[in-house]
Amino acid sequence: ETGVTQSPTHLIKTRGQQVTLRCSSQSGHNTVSWYQQALGQGPQFIFQYYREEENGRGNFPPRFSGLQFPNYSSELNVNALELDDSALYLCASSRTSGRPDTQYFGPGTRLTVL
Amino acid sequence: GQQLNQSPQSMFIQEGEDVSMNCTSSSIFNTWLWYKQDPGEGPVLLIALYKAGELTSNGRLTAQFGITRKDSFLNISASIPSDVGIYFCAGRFNTNAGKSTFGDGTTLTVKP
Repeated sequence: ETGVTQSPTHLIKTRGQQVTLRCSSQSGHNTVSWYQQALGQGPQFIFQYYREEENGRGNFPPRFSGLQFPNYSSELNVNALELDDSALYLCASSRTSGRPDTQYFGPGTRLTVL
Repeated sequence: GQQLNQSPQSMFIQEGEDVSMNCTSSSIFNTWLWYKQDPGEGPVLLIALYKAGELTSNGRLTAQFGITRKDSFLNISASIPSDVGIYFCAGRFNTNAGKSTFGDGTTLTVKP
């Protein structure tokens, strides 16, 4: 059983650019959640995808958007990057059935905006 | 929105000592979760609590869901060097695994 993987590991962008981060779910998981973790803080919920539809959103502006594909992998897109977008971006996959807390995190993508 | 206050922010202890950390919320939760995050990794779930008053253990770790549903604590007994890391509490009001509110973490350092 493969775990949650994310790519790339690190990324450097400049203000105003756009970025796409990718996540592959753990085998058998159909739900993906994305979190932003600023330095020294806990993860903050961005949004969740289930069956290729957004299924809940945290307090993030529309320039944060996502996609989920039929194989349950997912992308996080951020447009018009700002300096404050510098953070570790984590995705987590889970199943809708079974124990509700079976949420497994990937290692994250470290995004630096200059 | 919901806010979690986690304390202490950091702890420096000797190997073998017991550790206690806690989390308080401005809102009630139906589930409390405790995670550990190592450098370069995502958080890993340690303990999940589902009922007010519940006390649950996982090896040397024990966590409790506060009666008011607004707080939780985590204890680690007989700490060892591999306990080093950042511990996060998280609360959830619904059954959706992904939509959790996290505290800002307690950084634990264990001196051999």
